[in-house]
Amino acid sequence: KAGVTQTPRYLIKTRGQQVTLSCSPISGHRSVSWYQQTPGQGLQFLFEYFSETQRNKGNFPGRFSGRQFSNSRSEMNVSTLELGDSALYLCASSTRGDSYGYTFGSGTRLTVV
Amino acid sequence: SQQGEEDPQALSIQEGENATMNCSYKTSINNLQWYRQNSGRGLVHLILIRSNEREKHSGRLRVTLDTSKKSSSLLITASRAADTASYFCATHPGNQGGKLIFGQGTELSVKP
Repeated sequence: KAGVTQTPRYLIKTRGQQVTLSCSPISGHRSVSWYQQTPGQGLQFLFEYFSETQRNKGNFPGRFSGRQFSNSRSEMNVSTLELGDSALYLCASSTRGDSYGYTFGSGTRLTVV
Repeated sequence: SQQGEEDPQALSIQEGENATMNCSYKTSINNLQWYRQNSGRGLVHLILIRSNEREKHSGRLRVTLDTSKKSSSLLITASRAADTASYFCATHPGNQGGKLIFGQGTELSVKP
């Protein structure tokens, strides 16, 4: 059974650019969540999608956005990148997203220079 | 911050010893989960305990939950060098979809 696949694994971008990260959940999982991990702030919830609908959003500026496709694959986009956006971005999938454990991908390491 | 706190922040033990990590949280929960992370990679789900449960076991792992004190503990028995990792507790509030609120983590080092 394939796990959660995140692409790309590593990314280097320049301030002001935009970036799109991709996440393919485990087959049959309809809930996809995104988290940002930094040494200073730890793991912070970005947003969650369930059946193509955003169900919840964390406390991040509007530069952070996401979407989910009909096959449950999800993308997140960060526009006008700032140095502080450098982080490990983790995607997690679950069958329903409530009362169940999540399966995480290996993450995308984004560096903004 | 909504995040809970984990104690200790770092723990160093010898192989074969037990490791105990504690987690405190702030809001009411539907369940509490523990995850392991190796060297900045993805998180691995270890165990989930529901708000109406007090103790749960899985292999060498034992988790307790005290909802009156809003705290949980993770015990790893007979630790191995391969258990070296960061351990995070995560609470599921239950009224915010699938959102998890993570603690700051405990960095465990098990020396052979």
